[in-house]
Amino acid sequence: DGGITQSPKYLFRKEGQNVTLSCEQNLNHDAMYWYRQDPGQGLRLIYYSQIVNDFQKGDIAEGYSVSREKKESFPLTVTSAQKNPTAFYLCASSHVGEDQPQHFGDGTRLSIL
Amino acid sequence: EDQVTQSPEALRLQEGESSSLNCSYTVSGLRGLFWYRQDPGKGPEFLFTLYSAGEEKEKERLKATLTKKESFLHITAPKPEDSATYLCAVQAEDSGGGADGLTFGKGTHLIIQP
Repeated sequence: DGGITQSPKYLFRKEGQNVTLSCEQNLNHDAMYWYRQDPGQGLRLIYYSQIVNDFQKGDIAEGYSVSREKKESFPLTVTSAQKNPTAFYLCASSHVGEDQPQHFGDGTRLSIL
Repeated sequence: EDQVTQSPEALRLQEGESSSLNCSYTVSGLRGLFWYRQDPGKGPEFLFTLYSAGEEKEKERLKATLTKKESFLHITAPKPEDSATYLCAVQAEDSGGGADGLTFGKGTHLIIQP
């Protein structure tokens, strides 16, 4: 079955540590996205990529980094510069083109130890 | 700046009691409005895309409608399995390349009691 796989489901970060969240898709989508979801808030865009080896900052990119070396993969690194990293992180993908819906993985919940 | 406001924040209904959820939006020009369903601990599940005022789409007990300023998600004779958070999102016409991120509302938490 085609879909988006995020791992791990739960992740714990120590102070000063960088952690990487995995996102893999087999939907043959060109575009991939990372969102952050906090309680009582809407999803907020961190980074997005329309094509391999290219990506753009979203609304809240500070303290995060990404790479897009393969079409299927778009890992997100939460760096020690992100002072409030506790959140639910969602990865999505879509075809490139007008009005293409984004399809989401089941998220990674990141907490601070 | 694009904005999406959903109301109510939470809604509790009896099984079979129909109602509507509201999504008001402000964008420079609407390319598409999207409805998603999100279950606890899961990612959003795509429901509908609406493109222009007057458009309607249906899926089982759900019907989405669109005007120039808002969208409604009508739920007819809901069942307990319809309980979820419903999210509304917009994509603006000034988005470049057709693959920009969406602007989401905070969602409506819907509970259907048996």
